[in-house]
Amino acid sequence: GENVEQHPSTLSVQEGDSAVIKCTYSDSASNYFPWYKQELGKRPQLIIDIRSNVGEKKDQRIAVTLNKTAKHFSLHITETQPEDSAVYFCAASLHGGSQGNLIFGKGTKLSVKP
Amino acid sequence: GAGVSQSPSNKVTEKGKDVELRCDPISGHTALYWYRQSLGQGLEFLIYFQGNSAPDKSGLPSDRFSAERTGGSVSTLTIQRTQQEDSAVYLCASSQLAGEQFFGPGTRLTVL
Repeated sequence: GENVEQHPSTLSVQEGDSAVIKCTYSDSASNYFPWYKQELGKRPQLIIDIRSNVGEKKDQRIAVTLNKTAKHFSLHITETQPEDSAVYFCAASLHGGSQGNLIFGKGTKLSVKP
Repeated sequence: GAGVSQSPSNKVTEKGKDVELRCDPISGHTALYWYRQSLGQGLEFLIYFQGNSAPDKSGLPSDRFSAERTGGSVSTLTIQRTQQEDSAVYLCASSQLAGEQFFGPGTRLTVL
């Protein structure tokens, strides 16, 4: 089955710097890759997603890139702010995300220091 | 509109007892998912429903775990003869046919 590896497990940056989180997946049939943000004690919330027919997607300070050949995808946060501090999870799905489960990475705890 | 809701929010039980966890998905969402999140860990897939049927039960960790969904809406996750290793936050999510998965607030289960 699918396996998703996520690095780093913790990341500390200064406010205003960029943050990059990387994930690799094992099943080349996976076609949907969402990123979730989970603040302490709260539910995970989708921040951005990308499908396998797209190489890059951007939404304001957040961007995701996908390399299907290498089977890896990355989250880029620019101009980080303290409110970006949270745990970020990448995930992969074989069925487009709506007709099957998501396989999650183990998460990256991002700390943004003012 | 209302989001995904789960009950109870917290459940403390003794080892060996059975527990039932409830999930109310967003109205109109056909797909429903159960995940488990242990302390400081990622989300582990348990089971997925499309309507009332469960095409993928591959994540259930043992035969002590079962789930059902009735009327294409509410779902219950049942854990029989609970063990301490079952302690975790159980998260439910729902989605439309081609949309993102929206998560509920979770049920924190503690097995003493």
